[in-house]
Amino acid sequence: AQSVTQLGSHVSVSEGALVLLRCNYSSSVPPYLFWYVQYPNQGLQLLLKYTTGATLVKGINGFEAEFKKSETSFHLTKPSAHMSDAAEYFCAVSDGGATNKLIFGTGTLLAVQP
Amino acid sequence: SAVISQKPSRDICQRGTSLTIQCQVDSQVTMMFWYRQQPGQSLTLIATANQGSEATYESGFVIDKFPISRPNLTFSTLTVSNMSPEDSSIYLCSVERQVPRELFFGEGSRLTVL
Repeated sequence: AQSVTQLGSHVSVSEGALVLLRCNYSSSVPPYLFWYVQYPNQGLQLLLKYTTGATLVKGINGFEAEFKKSETSFHLTKPSAHMSDAAEYFCAVSDGGATNKLIFGTGTLLAVQP
Repeated sequence: SAVISQKPSRDICQRGTSLTIQCQVDSQVTMMFWYRQQPGQSLTLIATANQGSEATYESGFVIDKFPISRPNLTFSTLTVSNMSPEDSSIYLCSVERQVPRELFFGEGSRLTVL
């Protein structure tokens, strides 16, 4: 079975500060890992994903994440927060199998202070 | 990317009634998924809907409560039957694109059951 743990349901940073959102996963097979963002009253938008290959993955809006197998982690970072980054962020895992079903973490609500 | 339209975007319903949510995609897709996002919680997969076959339900979800139709490759419906306040959630439609493999989400249907 697969699972995802997101540490910190709420994270607050100052504009211009580093953003770090934590995600740890559990999977019995090589995982596919995803970060999605959900702005208020909108659907989910894919930020980035890791399937195979390079472990440092760059996504949209300046975000990136690094797959660390030894730590079973896939933390999301951005060097400098912008007010428009305020949203809820979900980490998800799948086994990349035929169904491609996603297992989501509980989400982290990012607040950006001016 | 795939453009997904969900109707209704939001609704307020009375206990004991049923509501059908529609999901329309702008291109043909093999697999469609229905997720539920309860208030303050993450997304949970309800079922996978393939055209021409019965939907596959996840543990804890049954066809009598959440009947799904998939009449063609661009459309699906999810019905929430005999609603109770516990069914108040956002229901999201998701589709899978094969090349490159990625999931896209609709903006969701926000249901409030009184």
